[in-house]
Amino acid sequence: GNSVTQMEGPVTLSEEAFLTINCTYTATGYPSLFWYVQYPGEGLQLLLKATKADDKGSNKGFEATYRKETTSFHLEKGSVQVSDSAVYFCALIMMSGNKLVFGAGTILRVKS
Amino acid sequence: EPEVTQTPSHQVTQMGQEVILRCVPISNHLYFYWYRQILGQKVEFLVSFYNNEISEKSEIFDDQFSVERPDGSNFTLKIRSTKLEDSAMYFCASSPVVVGYNSPLHFGNGTRLTVT
Repeated sequence: GNSVTQMEGPVTLSEEAFLTINCTYTATGYPSLFWYVQYPGEGLQLLLKATKADDKGSNKGFEATYRKETTSFHLEKGSVQVSDSAVYFCALIMMSGNKLVFGAGTILRVKS
Repeated sequence: EPEVTQTPSHQVTQMGQEVILRCVPISNHLYFYWYRQILGQKVEFLVSFYNNEISEKSEIFDDQFSVERPDGSNFTLKIRSTKLEDSAMYFCASSPVVVGYNSPLHFGNGTRLTVT
């Protein structure tokens, strides 16, 4: 079946550090890929998406590139802030499907 | 910006009791969903709902679960006889059209259900 695997957390960084959260997927076909973020006490919010191979999604300084050859969609940010502390979820949806398949989520903690 | 709202934020219930989790989707949305996340595990799809009927459900969504849109605004998830393993965060979501490449889900803040 289709699945998403994320690096385990928590990831703890100092402010202005470089962030990478790894995400790989398994899918029978060509999914769209998403990153969702959950800030403390809030719901899941779409952070960015990519719909085909080599697409780069970006938002709020975060980027992720859809790599078909490595089945990956790693999340990166050049300089994290304390306000980026949250749980980050990688997810996919198939063209023929109507439900998201999520990874387990990665907790990010940024210290000042 | 319109939001999906869920109540209560935290519910504690005893095993065997019925619970109803409530959601108010965004008003012009047509597709409604429930997901859940057991602590430390993945966010899992439970059910999707469109045009007053279930359009898809997962194997988790057994006979103990039901969904309803009793009026034009609420969307509820009922668990008839809760089990310890139903303890989880339950997320409601909605979308204006069927979720897909260009139509992301809008999620609520979740209801944390604790079954004792």
